[in-house]
Amino acid sequence: DAGVIQSPRHEVTEMGQEVTLRCKPISGHDYLFWYRQTMMRGLELLIYFNNNVPIDDSGMPEDRFSAKMPNASFSTLKIQPSEPRDSAVYFCASSLPSSPNEQFFGPGTRLTVL
Amino acid sequence: KQEVTQIPAALSVPEGENLVLNCSFTDSAIYNLQWFRQDPGKGLTSLLLIQSSQREQTSGRLNASLDKSSGRSTLYIAASQPGDSATYLCAVPGDQTGANNLFFGTGTRLTVIP
Repeated sequence: DAGVIQSPRHEVTEMGQEVTLRCKPISGHDYLFWYRQTMMRGLELLIYFNNNVPIDDSGMPEDRFSAKMPNASFSTLKIQPSEPRDSAVYFCASSLPSSPNEQFFGPGTRLTVL
Repeated sequence: KQEVTQIPAALSVPEGENLVLNCSFTDSAIYNLQWFRQDPGKGLTSLLLIQSSQREQTSGRLNASLDKSSGRSTLYIAASQPGDSATYLCAVPGDQTGANNLFFGTGTRLTVIP
C-alpha cells in the first residue's frame, strides 16, 4: 500500500489566491482527517470525515476554509482567499473504522502564502 | 478542552544514552494515548498506542508508560542511536468515548549525537 498520498508537497502562492490541497487516503480507511501544523500552535485538527461525511469541522478556522470528500478515495481542502497567516504544513491522515484513533499520516503539504 | 504539554521542547544526548521524554495532559479521562515520531519534512509515524486500561507498552528499544491519575506519560528510549533523532509527539483523543479528534503536544525535538 502506498500510504496516504498528498499533493502538492509544496505550494507557494500569493495572498488572495485560491489554494486547493488534495489527499488520497489508504484504501479501506473510512476516516479521513485534515490537520494543520504551525510552530506557534503545533498540530491542530481542522476537520474529519467518516464515510465521506464531515463529522466535526469545529477546527476549521473560518469561512475561507472548506473541505470536501466526494468519494472514499479523495478529499480536498480549499482556502479562498488565502492569507499569509495560513502558511503552515497541512497533513491528511486516515484510519480504519475499527480503530479511528490509530491514524496514518501523509507526508504533508507545505503551504507558503506571500 | 484537553491540553497536552511536552517537556523538554528539545533534548540533545550522546549516542548510547538512555533517555525519557515527558507528556502531560489536563483531562485524565482519556481513552488512550499515542506517541508519534516526526522526521523533518515528513508526516507522523505512530510508535506506540497505550489503551487507558494499560500501564505501559513496549516496542523494541521504546517503552511508553501511562499514569492516568496524574495525567502523565513517558517515552523511554534505550541505547539511543543517531537514527532516533526526530521530533516526538504525544496525542490523546478529545474525550473518553474515544472521539476521533486527537489533541497533540508541541513535541520534543531529540538529537542524538554520534
